[in-house]
Amino acid sequence: AQSVAQPEDQVNVAEGNPLTVKCTYSVSGNPYLFWYVQYPNRGLQFLLKYITGDNLVKGSYGFEAEFNKSQTSFHLKKPSALVSDSALYFCAVRSRWNYGQNFVFGPGTRLSVLP
Amino acid sequence: EAQVTQNPRYLITVTGKKLTVTCSQNMNHEYMSWYRQDPGLGLRQIYYSMNVEVTDKGDVPEGYKVSRKEKRNFPLILESPSPNQTSLYFCASSVGAGDEQFFGPGTRLTVL
Repeated sequence: AQSVAQPEDQVNVAEGNPLTVKCTYSVSGNPYLFWYVQYPNRGLQFLLKYITGDNLVKGSYGFEAEFNKSQTSFHLKKPSALVSDSALYFCAVRSRWNYGQNFVFGPGTRLSVLP
Repeated sequence: EAQVTQNPRYLITVTGKKLTVTCSQNMNHEYMSWYRQDPGLGLRQIYYSMNVEVTDKGDVPEGYKVSRKEKRNFPLILESPSPNQTSLYFCASSVGAGDEQFFGPGTRLTVL
């Protein structure tokens, strides 16, 4: 069965500092991996995805994520955090070979960027 | 404007009273999906649809029904709602199952 873990419920970082939001996954075969962000009282917005190719994926708003197959991780990073990055972040996975085509999301990590 | 719309945005109902939450997308997407969001659990997929007349269960389908008679619409039906279905519901669509999903604004449902 597919699963996603986001080991930190909350991440606090000072504005201007680098940030990392962690994600590990379990899936049969090769994965599709995604990061989404949810601002208060809004739906989810796509940030970036990994399908194949370069392990470092660049996405929206200066975010990037590194795919590590041996550690089954897909951590989200940003070199310099902004207060406006404060939101709820979700990692999601789908198996490329899963006939069921269903998505599994992690529980979310709340990022607070302090001015 | 490309978007996914859901109606209603807020709904308070009572146990056992059938309800439908509508979802519509104007992007000609083939893949559509329903999720529920609960604190500490993230989003859990209820049902998804690969195309018209093709639907399948996600991780938490019990108590829900869906249909996909037209490409743009994917309604979620609760035949006999119960309090444990109180949640925030999101509809999403994408070109295909491996593509980025576009999410609707959400429907907050309370079942008393």
